[in-house]
Amino acid sequence: AQSVTQLDSHVSVSEGTPVLLRCNYSSSYSPSLFWYVQHPNKGLQLLLKYTSAATLVKGINGFEAEFKKSETSFHLTKPSAHMSDAAEYFCVVSGLTGGGNKLTFGTGTQLKVEL
Amino acid sequence: SQTIHQWPATLVQPVGSPLSLECTVEGTSNPNLYWYRQAAGRGLQLLFYSVGIGQISSEVPQNLSASRPQDRQFILSSKKLLLSDSGFYLCAWGRTGTLYNEQFFGPGTRLTVL
Repeated sequence: AQSVTQLDSHVSVSEGTPVLLRCNYSSSYSPSLFWYVQHPNKGLQLLLKYTSAATLVKGINGFEAEFKKSETSFHLTKPSAHMSDAAEYFCVVSGLTGGGNKLTFGTGTQLKVEL
Repeated sequence: SQTIHQWPATLVQPVGSPLSLECTVEGTSNPNLYWYRQAAGRGLQLLFYSVGIGQISSEVPQNLSASRPQDRQFILSSKKLLLSDSGFYLCAWGRTGTLYNEQFFGPGTRLTVL
């Protein structure tokens, strides 16, 4: 079985300050992990993915995440928040079932960026 | 490049009416296809997935059904909608042949059942 826990349902930062969105995972396999972003009434967009290559993964829009096996964590960071980063972020773990890969989603973290 | 389309974008339907949501993918062959529902204030729930034409797996017993009549077409249906069917429906595709692949999502359909 696999699961993800997003430790904060809401995070608020000021524009220009760092962003940290926390995620812990549980998986029976060596997992693939993803972060997706969803703006209001839009589909989900892939920010970045970890698939057992480099543990520090760089994504789009200046985001990055570090896979830490000892801590079972995959936290998302960005050095400087922008107003356009305000959205909901989902941490996701991938696993197999019945021939198709399945994604298990965290409950999401709503990021608010203030002036 | 690959693109995924969903329609309609928004839909308001009365309780007891039928439903048909369509999803199509371009630029890839034999994708895995997925239907998710996102209810207000909740995460994404996988409803159905398909690894090929006519092959449908249901994740959650419910008032909905899915069909895959063509390789890149995935349809979500209901014979009689319930109030609880309201939500944001997302279609996604993923590549076959490789483990642990990411999925790519469509723009979604906002369904309101009144």
